[in-house]
Amino acid sequence: AAGVIQSPRHLIKEKRETATLKCYPIPRHDTVYWYQQGPGQDPQFLISFYEKMQSDKGSIPDRFSAQQFSDYHSELNMSSLELGDSALYFCASSWDRDTEAFFGQGTRLTVV
Amino acid sequence: AQSVTQLDSQVPVFEEAPVELRCNYSSSVSVYLFWYVQYPNQGLQLLLKYLSGSTLVKGINGFEAEFNKSQTSFHLRKPSVHISDTAEYFCAVSTPMGQGGKLIFGQGTELSVKP
Repeated sequence: AAGVIQSPRHLIKEKRETATLKCYPIPRHDTVYWYQQGPGQDPQFLISFYEKMQSDKGSIPDRFSAQQFSDYHSELNMSSLELGDSALYFCASSWDRDTEAFFGQGTRLTVV
Repeated sequence: AQSVTQLDSQVPVFEEAPVELRCNYSSSVSVYLFWYVQYPNQGLQLLLKYLSGSTLVKGINGFEAEFNKSQTSFHLRKPSVHISDTAEYFCAVSTPMGQGGKLIFGQGTELSVKP
């Protein structure tokens, strides 16, 4: 069965650079969630989209932005990267907001 | 607001011994409850979930959990663990109010199975 695809799997950036993470949800899933998991930490909810509209917002820095496109894939844009942004970024998708979310394998971002 | 507390940050156990990973939650509304497993450098894999119905939930890899509403707990159990169960385990809650995928995670429990 198709799963949530995240790209790239690994990304190394320098401080103050910009990064774009992509998430391709399971076909026919219309809801996407982004999470950030710092080293040794639990995943923290960043933001979610339902039918291409932002549906909820968590602890997402102002330097980050995200959107969901017409084909339901989502991109997380991160600017002015800081060392503390180094983390594993997960995307999850679900069919409708009330159903179980399935997680991708994550993108490991390292800021040097 | 919801919160999740995993009562043990690390649980060492010998192979073939039983294990229980404890999870308590706090919420003023009905919740969905989940257990996820994360192997080193891997993503999150759903072990089991409680949405409604029977309070005893069986999941993959021989794990099960029991929802206890009065004690607001959702402890994970396995009668006999294997070396391959060594991983980080996360308990999570979401509310069935249009937020099915917005999960609040506990701090995680590192299960270490020794031979």
